[in-house]
Amino acid sequence: RKEVEQDPGPFNVPEGATVAFNCTYSNSASQSFFWYRQDCRKEPKLLMSVYSSGNEDGRFTAQLNRASQYISLLIRDSKLSDSATYLCVVIRGATTDSWGKLQFGAGTQVVVTP
Amino acid sequence: GAVVSQHPSWVICKSGTSVKIECRSLDFQATTMFWYRQFPKQSLMLMATSNEGSKATYEQGVEKDKFLINHASLTLSTLTVTSAHPEDSSFYICSARDHRRQGGSYEQYFGPGTRLTVT
Repeated sequence: RKEVEQDPGPFNVPEGATVAFNCTYSNSASQSFFWYRQDCRKEPKLLMSVYSSGNEDGRFTAQLNRASQYISLLIRDSKLSDSATYLCVVIRGATTDSWGKLQFGAGTQVVVTP
Repeated sequence: GAVVSQHPSWVICKSGTSVKIECRSLDFQATTMFWYRQFPKQSLMLMATSNEGSKATYEQGVEKDKFLINHASLTLSTLTVTSAHPEDSSFYICSARDHRRQGGSYEQYFGPGTRLTVT
C-alpha cells in the first residue's frame, strides 16, 4: 500500500464551480501535511500547509481528519488558472531517519473548463 | 526570496555517458538538499538527502554508485548520473531547506527540475 494515496482524476470543473478531493495517508505517526500544486513539466509549488483545525487561504480550504487519516482540499469559484495537478504531501514523525522527508502522493489532476 | 535553481533544465545524452545536474540555493543557505525523481504521471520519489559537508543518505533501492551526490557548500549540491541508460530518463528535481528555519519549518523550496533523456 502506498504511503500517500490520491484519486488521480481528472476532475473536470466548470469555471466558477467548487471542487473538492481527498488524500489518504497510511502512517498514523505523520505529523505535517501540505498541498502542493504542480503544473505540467514544472516543479511543485507549495499551495498551503494543512493545520489540525483546518485552514483557509482565499478560495482554498484545507482540512485534516486524523481519525480517518485523510486531508482534503476544496477550491471555490474555480478559475481557469487553477488547472493543475494537486499533490498531497505528508511528513512522517520526526525520527532521525525520517525528519523532514516529504512523502508525495501521485497527484490529483484538476481541469477547469470555460 | 527562497529561490532554487537547477542546471541544466534539460539534457539529452547517449547511453553510457555521465550527466551532472547542479542545484543551487540563490538567496539562502541550505544545509540540507533533497533529490527527487519523477516519472510521467507518478509521484515524486525521494532519491537521497544531501547534507553539506557529509555523505548523502540514499533511499532504499537507489544505487549510490550510480547516482553520485556532492554537497560541497551551503548553496550547491550536484547529482551525477553515471553510465546513464534509457531507463534513467526522468524528471530530476532538487529541493532545499533554509537552514535558518530548520528547527521551525519543514518547508522545502524546489528547483525547476531537469529533464533527462538518455538515448
